[in-house]
Amino acid sequence: NAGVMQNPRHLVRRRGQEARLRCSPMKGHSHVYWYRQLPEEGLKFMVYLQKENIIDESGMPKERFSAEFPKEGPSILRIQQVVRGDSAAYFCASSPGTEKTYEQYFGPGTRLTVT
Amino acid sequence: AQSVTQLDSQVPVFEEAPVELRCNYSSSVSVYLFWYVQYPNQGLQLLLKYLSGSTLVESINGFEAEFNKSQTSFHLRKPSVHISDTAEYFCAVARSNYQLIWGAGTKLIIKP
Repeated sequence: NAGVMQNPRHLVRRRGQEARLRCSPMKGHSHVYWYRQLPEEGLKFMVYLQKENIIDESGMPKERFSAEFPKEGPSILRIQQVVRGDSAAYFCASSPGTEKTYEQYFGPGTRLTVT
Repeated sequence: AQSVTQLDSQVPVFEEAPVELRCNYSSSVSVYLFWYVQYPNQGLQLLLKYLSGSTLVESINGFEAEFNKSQTSFHLRKPSVHISDTAEYFCAVARSNYQLIWGAGTKLIIKP
């Protein structure tokens, strides 16, 4: 029973490039959450998605960041024109349904480094 | 607004000694409380949770946490730590059904 999968595990981008982070939820889970962890800080909520729907994106920066969870395939967190301040670990989590959505299962994270 | 405070960024402790990792939260409403553990280069794993009922909750690997409403605390304890407990521990509170608010984490360092 595979857990939440994220790839790549490490991603290096130059300033101005695009970063695409992928998340495959646990089997049977239809809810996905993205969090960002800056060095020496806790996780910060970014966005909550269900299949083909963005439920809450209140934690997403207004510009350059977008997220999707298509009907088929993984959830994608996209960062356009990356800057040094985007360097962080990005974690994806999933939960099975609308009940107990606080019981989230996390992936190993993608560590983004912007040079 | 809800917030979570983990005062200790690092806690060094000798192997087989007891440990307490502190977590305080601020909230004016009922909360759900969680401890997650992050082993080196891995994702976060749910260690234990308080939803309702008994204020003392336990994990399968010997950790326990007690919900104290009057002190707004949810400290994590283990009577005897092992080298394999080396990890970073995060306290979190559920702000809504899904939005978790996180502490900054505490690194547990086990000294042989």
